Amino acid sequence: QVQLVQSGAEVKKPGASVRVSCKASGYTFTAYYMHWVRQAPGQGLEWMGWIVPVNGDTNYAQRFQGRVTMTTDTSINTAYMDLNRLTSDDTAVYYCATGGGSGWYDYWGQGTLVTVSS
Amino acid sequence: EIVMTQSPGTLSVSPGERATLSCRASQSVSSKLAWYQQKPGQAPRVLIYGASTRAPGIPARFSGSGSGTEFTLIISSLQSEDLAVYYCQQYNNWPCSFGQGTKLEIK
Repeated sequence: QVQLVQSGAEVKKPGASVRVSCKASGYTFTAYYMHWVRQAPGQGLEWMGWIVPVNGDTNYAQRFQGRVTMTTDTSINTAYMDLNRLTSDDTAVYYCATGGGSGWYDYWGQGTLVTVSS
Repeated sequence: EIVMTQSPGTLSVSPGERATLSCRASQSVSSKLAWYQQKPGQAPRVLIYGASTRAPGIPARFSGSGSGTEFTLIISSLQSEDLAVYYCQQYNNWPCSFGQGTKLEIK
């Protein structure tokens, strides 16, 4: 069965960077775009961007342009999301999500809580 | 960016009753609308895509309708396990966007 397993919770100081990983199994990793969505505490869902694993093409939400980098390592079926210049507003659960649909998500990782605090 | 507005913010329904959740888009999204259920501490789960197609394994009590700018999710006979927050998502235009959610409470 399809599984997306994310890395563990992180605590970072303002101004630092964070990397969240998402290891995929149960499907052909290069077949589907990988998206990243975040959710601040008690808030709704916010799309951050996607990456095409087969060629590395990316599309980032405008508000994250210049601060986010999404990459993949197809040899180990893993996607990464790097976010730099963190502020307290970046405290959130970060999800990877994918699926065969044209923009909706069949499969989600379990989420990674990133806490930004001095 | 397309703004998705859900109503009501909170809905309280008795078990066995019908729950009706609404989602409005700031411009037409055709039928490219999905609904997700998110239970506390869990990732979202897709219920409906294409405005009205139930995802595999989703009970028949969940149904979606609408097109253009107005969409509805109906839970025909509420079960206690349906306690959750429900989000709509448009994927007709990038960036995709989500509504702010409707919290469904069991009376």
